Amino acid sequence: AQSVTQLGSHVSVSEGALVLLRCNYSSSVPPYLFWYVQYPNQGLQLLLKYTSAATLVKGINGFEAEFKKSETSFHLTKPSAHMSDAAEYFCAVSDGGATNKLIFGTGTLLAVQP
Amino acid sequence: ETGVTQTPRHLVMGMTNKKSLKCEQHLGHNAMYWYKQSAKKPLELMFVYNFKEQTENNSVPSRFSPECPNSSHLFLHLHTLQPEDSALYLCASSQVGTGGYYGYTFGSGTRLTVV
Repeated sequence: AQSVTQLGSHVSVSEGALVLLRCNYSSSVPPYLFWYVQYPNQGLQLLLKYTSAATLVKGINGFEAEFKKSETSFHLTKPSAHMSDAAEYFCAVSDGGATNKLIFGTGTLLAVQP
Repeated sequence: ETGVTQTPRHLVMGMTNKKSLKCEQHLGHNAMYWYKQSAKKPLELMFVYNFKEQTENNSVPSRFSPECPNSSHLFLHLHTLQPEDSALYLCASSQVGTGGYYGYTFGSGTRLTVV
């Protein structure tokens, strides 16, 4: 069975600092991996996805993530945090099966301090 | 209209009321999902519909009754709810048969408060 683990339910950074949100996955087959962002009282919005085309994936709002098979990781980074990045971030893995099921992590709440 | 639309955005209901949440997707997808998101809890998958047929019900209490009349519309009928049912209810859609390549598209959610 596939799963994702997000280390750190809360992360706080200063404005302008590096953002690093961690995600490790478990999968018996080559996975599709996703990062979603959720602003307060909103739905989840796709930030970026890995579908085996390239290991370094660039997404919206300056975020990127690197797929590392040897470490079973898909960490999300942004070089310089902005106040508007404060939100909850979810990592997800697809089981690639007929049901198209996405398995979500428990989320990481990012706070950005001025 | 594009994407996934959920109505209403906010709903306050008494424990004896009956109400319905509506979700509509304009993406031509063939799978739809209901999620519950409570404060300080992980996303909970409630129901899955593929090609209008329910394929998953994750032990959801019968006071929640889903309906999927076609691949574009999904409803969640609510009756005799409890205060602990207060949460953000999210609808999502996807294209089955792509191995998960495209992920899910989510609506903005309905914030439900049970009083």
